[in-house]
Amino acid sequence: TQLLEQSPQFLSIQEGENLTVYCNSSSVFSSLQWYRQEPGEGPVLLVTVVTGGEVKKLKRLTFQFGDARKDSSLHITAAQPGDTGLYLCADISGYALNFGKGTSLLVTP
Amino acid sequence: NAGVTQTPKFRVLKTGQSMTLLCAQDMNHEYMYWYRQDPGMGLRLIHYSVGEGTTAKGEVPDGYNVSRLKKQNFLLGLESAAPSQTSVYFCASSHRDRLIQPQHFGDGTRLSIL
Repeated sequence: TQLLEQSPQFLSIQEGENLTVYCNSSSVFSSLQWYRQEPGEGPVLLVTVVTGGEVKKLKRLTFQFGDARKDSSLHITAAQPGDTGLYLCADISGYALNFGKGTSLLVTP
Repeated sequence: NAGVTQTPKFRVLKTGQSMTLLCAQDMNHEYMYWYRQDPGMGLRLIHYSVGEGTTAKGEVPDGYNVSRLKKQNFLLGLESAAPSQTSVYFCASSHRDRLIQPQHFGDGTRLSIL
């Protein structure tokens, strides 16, 4: 089973700061998805990246897929309290998603 | 617009009791999944189904059974609950092409085994 490592495990920042979280794999991703999970809810898809070197933007969120398709990053500009949650990366391998353990983000006012 | 609905939302069991968790989706998805989420462990796949009448084991299937008698429903059973099965359980569904349509998750069932 492909091992997905996410870092950092926890991140606590103040509103307005920028941050980057990472997802690295022991082998090449087929395709990668980023999800956000808010307390008491299920994960919700943010983005899917497929091509090495791909960059996608979703408002203040920027997603990058490494050229070799073994790593990905999520950058948040000017974080807001509403960004608080667990950020999960997942590889689409076979029939099911293979998830990393996530980065827990807390943004305080 | 219900999406994926899980019942019950909370449950407390005693060791050795049995129960069934129900998942229902209204998106006509072919694939359905059961995950468990534990602190620091991420989401781990228990069982999944690629169509009505078919099921397969995931990463952590021991102690669980599943059935998919109807396309829209996926049931997860605990025959003899153990404290190690205390967790939050998530059901998800997806189109067969996950690049076209991603997995949709329910809001989870919080299960405590005493």
